[in-house]
Amino acid sequence: GAVVSQHPSWVICKSGTSVKIECRSLDFQATTMFWYRQFPKQSLMLMATSNEGSKATYEQGVEKDKFLINHASLTLSTLTVTSAHPEDSSFYICSATPLRDRVNYGYTFGSGTRLTVV
Amino acid sequence: KQEVTQIPAALSVPEGENLVLNCSFTDSAIYNLQWFRQDPGKGLTSLLLIQSSQREQTSGRLNASLDKSSGRSTLYIAASQPGDSATYLCAVPTGGGNKLTFGTGTQLKVEL
Repeated sequence: GAVVSQHPSWVICKSGTSVKIECRSLDFQATTMFWYRQFPKQSLMLMATSNEGSKATYEQGVEKDKFLINHASLTLSTLTVTSAHPEDSSFYICSATPLRDRVNYGYTFGSGTRLTVV
Repeated sequence: KQEVTQIPAALSVPEGENLVLNCSFTDSAIYNLQWFRQDPGKGLTSLLLIQSSQREQTSGRLNASLDKSSGRSTLYIAASQPGDSATYLCAVPTGGGNKLTFGTGTQLKVEL
């Protein structure tokens, strides 16, 4: 089955620093990956859609310069939280689907990254 | 705009009970629906994917049904166990099929 690996699973950083989160599709290729943010006891909020070889598409209200997304290959997308502040502390989850067959395979999610900014 | 609602928001049952989780969506033009499970502090685990052409999909003690015309899906869990305790989310593709819209979730607790 489709497997998505997300790293790190948790990270603590100082305010003002940048943090990079990786999302890899291990056994399939994905031209598109998705980045979500989840606040405590709430459902997932789509932040951006990461497209291989092109610019990411951000949802309304999400700062492009704050959340930098790079999708350099068909199996790797990264989310960099720049100049992190305590309000950026959250649970970030990525998702991907096989290149041609999302109708049949649906979406697979990573294990998430807990970011704490102190 | 697609809106997905799940009821109940929370459910607490004794072990062994059969239970039904409900998911409703406003736009029936979907090609599939997916049920996920999320444990606290973890990512999402896909439970069942049901195509728009299907009415049911089964995996072990789980059975999902889909009625596109009425905009509803149900997840049936048979003989519930404490290990089933988690938040259950349904999701449908939107935005041309390239994004997922999630339901509000049902937090399930199965007690000994």
